[in-house]
Amino acid sequence: DIQMTQSPSTLSASIGDRVTITCRASQSISSWLAWYQQKPGKAPKLLIYKASSLENGVPSRFSGSGSGTEFTLTISSLQPDDSATYYCQQHSSFSTFGQGTKLQI
Amino acid sequence: EVHLVESGGGLVQPGGSLTLSCAASGFTFASHWMSWVRQFPGKGLEWVANIKEDGSEKYYVGSVKGRFTTSRDNAKNSLYLHMDSLRVEDTAVYYCARGLPGPFDNWGQGTLVTISS
Repeated sequence: DIQMTQSPSTLSASIGDRVTITCRASQSISSWLAWYQQKPGKAPKLLIYKASSLENGVPSRFSGSGSGTEFTLTISSLQPDDSATYYCQQHSSFSTFGQGTKLQI
Repeated sequence: EVHLVESGGGLVQPGGSLTLSCAASGFTFASHWMSWVRQFPGKGLEWVANIKEDGSEKYYVGSVKGRFTTSRDNAKNSLYLHMDSLRVEDTAVYYCARGLPGPFDNWGQGTLVTISS
């Protein structure tokens, strides 16, 4: 099974900050990586797919990069609405998720 | 607009059975792979199973193989997850989601399954 490791587990930042979350795969997954945002009591929401493609309707302050085993999610200018938990997911070989990064503003 | 609505969750004793349903609307259900994803109380996410458009292929995570069965009825735009031999560690919110292969681009609101004596 492919293991996904996210860091940090929690992150505290201020409005307007640039924030980066990292996800590492235990083996190469090419660009088969997605990022999700989850708010309390809600289902995860797809933000980024194929490592760097922005899902329709997602603000352009979100961006993704990486390939192989190292990936990042960047929020360029943090907004109050971005307070949430973020998960990475590989879908190269079935699917596994990272353990999540809780972003506090 | 894509809409996925799960139902059927509840409290079940260990060793019991339960069937979850997911009603889909707003898209051509028969043209998409569908999946079940669960979220444990500690918030970790785990893909559980997926099923091909015509139901001819099904795949499961190792921890549920032989106990869970997914199926679909394209005429009713519905997805199902039948769960047998339930364990305490199956306690989770169960989501149906569109995708895999590919990312999960739409999710239901989830239904809570609690396994406890």
